[in-house]
Amino acid sequence: DAGITQSPRHKVTETGTPVTLRCHQTENHRYMYWYRQDPGHGLRLIHYSYGVKDTDKGEVSDGYSVSRSKTEDFLLTLESATSSQTSVYFCAIRDSLGHGANVLTFGAGSRLTVL
Amino acid sequence: GNSVTQMEGPVTLSEEAFLTINCTYTATGYPSLFWYVQYPGEGLQLLLKATKADDKGSNKGFEATYRKETTSFHLEKGSVQVSDSAVYFCALSDERGLDSSYKLIFGSGTRLLVRP
Repeated sequence: DAGITQSPRHKVTETGTPVTLRCHQTENHRYMYWYRQDPGHGLRLIHYSYGVKDTDKGEVSDGYSVSRSKTEDFLLTLESATSSQTSVYFCAIRDSLGHGANVLTFGAGSRLTVL
Repeated sequence: GNSVTQMEGPVTLSEEAFLTINCTYTATGYPSLFWYVQYPGEGLQLLLKATKADDKGSNKGFEATYRKETTSFHLEKGSVQVSDSAVYFCALSDERGLDSSYKLIFGSGTRLLVRP
């Protein structure tokens, strides 16, 4: 087990409410990623982090913000959820050294439904 | 920009049949190529990878060869099993010359269903 945990695993919320998804790792990896998975689109990158307080946008970042105040936690926030943000969200981590340097390891996913 | 195109599924096969899932890519530079697999209710797991042209990645009977001349990375398996039923994602690395900007770009996924 790569030591990556996502919470909550399932959440149902209403349009307009704020939502925060948490990704926690025990691997002390520098790089962390948030993707969303939707039918017909595969996985699309929302935001990523390359260190504490260092983050950057991915291809579908509108409506999302992230924070990384410590190495082990990467938070994804939807300030005001919309139905188009109904999706399965995956966190991933990456080491920067050795044979695993270019491989992402994924969490189990968080299924979000916005009514 | 960089992109990955996969054949649409679902792909339905009988057990012990030969599998090919096509993947082609568009990229600048020299990306690494990956196949990830997602079993029902789970996250993605790395299946195999290749980091340069003509490399062959292999794992669990699956193989894929990095073909730069055809910009392809097709996934093959000689004899599929029911337990191979899953969604398969092709992906490429996008580095832009900086390790801090490294990310993976995924195809849309291909669902494989293997019948007994």
